[in-house]
Amino acid sequence: GAVVSQHPSWVICKSGTSVKIECRSLDFQATTMFWYRQFPKQSLMLMATSNEGSKATYEQGVEKDKFLINHASLTLSTLTVTSAHPEDSSFYICSARPGTSGRAYEQYFGPGTRLTVT
Amino acid sequence: EDKVVQSPLSLVVHEGDTVTLNCSYEVTNFRSLLWYKQEKKAPTFLFMLTSSGIEKKSGRLSSILDKKELFSILNITATQTGDSAIYLCAVPGSSNTGKLIFGQGTTLQVKP
Repeated sequence: GAVVSQHPSWVICKSGTSVKIECRSLDFQATTMFWYRQFPKQSLMLMATSNEGSKATYEQGVEKDKFLINHASLTLSTLTVTSAHPEDSSFYICSARPGTSGRAYEQYFGPGTRLTVT
Repeated sequence: EDKVVQSPLSLVVHEGDTVTLNCSYEVTNFRSLLWYKQEKKAPTFLFMLTSSGIEKKSGRLSSILDKKELFSILNITATQTGDSAIYLCAVPGSSNTGKLIFGQGTTLQVKP
């Protein structure tokens, strides 16, 4: 149980285009999903917290107009990187917290999406 | 501000060596500390620690928490090449939104 998928697993796009990444909780409902970014050999940096049916909360320094997050259902959140540039190339990981969880730590990670912008 | 600091940032050892990874934290409302192992994809959960002095063990990996000194260690004995990974330490943030505060990670390379 508690499986989170991401799609696509990797994507290459041209500079200036937009890319959408999906994060799905497959066997549980996730009221909260988190989006992280990770550069090579570095830790996970939280970009935003996404709650179903409401606007995402972005971390300081993350441009909300560039990284659009939508959490339209209890099993799906999407991250759209708009007008991507080479510096947006990174590994993007989502995690999902079950709605029934009373434990602050409980979240399940997706396998990540590697974005390369040429 | 909530903070997690790991050391060392990187480590290269040979198979059979024992390693100790460190994690110190500052968080207003401490509830737990978590260790993850990340290879090429998503982090995989290793341990959750909530009480001081109680060792958690899984095979060659073990971890312990010191809530007085605000740190945790992760030990790996008889390392193998398959232990090569980034090891991440995290604590839930004070705000209770479910947000995890991660340390910088320790990149461990185990050479044959």
